[in-house]
Amino acid sequence: AQKITQTQPGMFVQEKEAVTLDCTYDTSDQSYGLFWYKQPSSGEMIFLIYQGSYDEQNATEGRYSLNFQKARKSANLVISASQLGDSAMYFCAMRGYTGTASKLTFGTGTRLQVTL
Amino acid sequence: AAGVIQSPRHLIKEKRETATLKCYPIPRHDTVYWYQQGPGQDPQFLISFYEKMQSDKGSIPDRFSAQQFSDYHSELNMSSLELGDSALYFCASRTTGQSYEQYFGPGTRLTVT
Repeated sequence: AQKITQTQPGMFVQEKEAVTLDCTYDTSDQSYGLFWYKQPSSGEMIFLIYQGSYDEQNATEGRYSLNFQKARKSANLVISASQLGDSAMYFCAMRGYTGTASKLTFGTGTRLQVTL
Repeated sequence: AAGVIQSPRHLIKEKRETATLKCYPIPRHDTVYWYQQGPGQDPQFLISFYEKMQSDKGSIPDRFSAQQFSDYHSELNMSSLELGDSALYFCASRTTGQSYEQYFGPGTRLTVT
């Protein structure tokens, strides 16, 4: 079984500052993937970034980077230079690589509010 | 680029009615997933299909059924609707040729009154 834990229900950050959203995971799979999704108030799920369990380097996508610490089983999302449009719910998710159609398991999410 | 299409985007039903949600995956994607997201909740996996066969099943009620058709579109059929079925229903698709990403549709917001 896979489990994702996001311990921050809500976070505030000032515009142009960096913010870290925490995510820890638990799995018995040797090979897995970790994802971050953004869900604005409009409801769609927007893929942000992916980290494979065997990737040696931390993933980066523009202003998003994933701080992957495999031994600690953490996959924190770092957003640099926050913008007002970053205000949304953020979900960490995990996918195993067993079977032909491995589902995503989500954490409970962190609601980020960017302030002026 | 083509995205996952879901219809309808919004649906209002009464208790005990039935509902059918449709999902059109990205062309050449062979795998479809359905997720249910209740108000203030994280998405929960319902069911998935690979090459038109059910491949995995999550917390899907017996009142729900789903299938994937020959053109790869999928339908989620929901009967005897309950108030607790009110949620955002996502469809996602991917191709096993890709390494990781599931592409989510915009979701269908179902309200049961």
